[in-house]
Amino acid sequence: DAGVIQSPRHEVTEMGQEVTLRCKPISGHNSLFWYRQTMMRGLELLIYFNNNVPIDDSGMPEDRFSAKMPNASFSTLKIQPSEPRDSAVYFCASSNGGLNTEAFFGQGTRLTVV
Amino acid sequence: DQQVKQNSPSLSVQEGRISILNCDYTNSMFDYFLWYKKYPAEGPTFLISISSIKDKNEDGRFTVFLNKSAKHLSLHIVPSQPGDSAVYFCAARKGTGANNLFFGTGTRLTVIP
Repeated sequence: DAGVIQSPRHEVTEMGQEVTLRCKPISGHNSLFWYRQTMMRGLELLIYFNNNVPIDDSGMPEDRFSAKMPNASFSTLKIQPSEPRDSAVYFCASSNGGLNTEAFFGQGTRLTVV
Repeated sequence: DQQVKQNSPSLSVQEGRISILNCDYTNSMFDYFLWYKKYPAEGPTFLISISSIKDKNEDGRFTVFLNKSAKHLSLHIVPSQPGDSAVYFCAARKGTGANNLFFGTGTRLTVIP
């Protein structure tokens, strides 16, 4: 398996533009997570899905952020409009949801909003 | 509020010596703990874990210790190698039905050759 695949690896955009980050989880995994890495808060959970259904989106910072999982093999995280403070590395992770199992991470998308 | 805390942002250790990375948590509902390792420009990768029913788990050079009464866990690496230089994240999970992980802010380990 290729692991969790994220695209793009890097994104530079202007303030106010819409940004869409993409994730393909590991086949067979039923849980998907979006994390944001910042110096101050480390890896911060934004939202997670179980069987394509959003379970907890309390970490989504504002209404500007939205996430979808239309099927078991694809998820998007959208920021509209983007702001400079959204600049961070965004990670997607997936797991098989079983007890005492780890989550597997993608390589991340480095977002820079100028 | 940060439920998992890594109070040391960085640690430097001589090659061959022991590295000890610490982690504290506040939520007594956490029952499964993990350590992840992250190299630059890569995603975190799972390193070792421990269930709350244990107080120690060992895997090669890596040992995780859990002190539930103190809500504290630590990762020991011995002997440390230059390739261990990375950022280490502590993570915790709350029981069944909620499999999202709560992460600390990370500790950057530098192993000096």
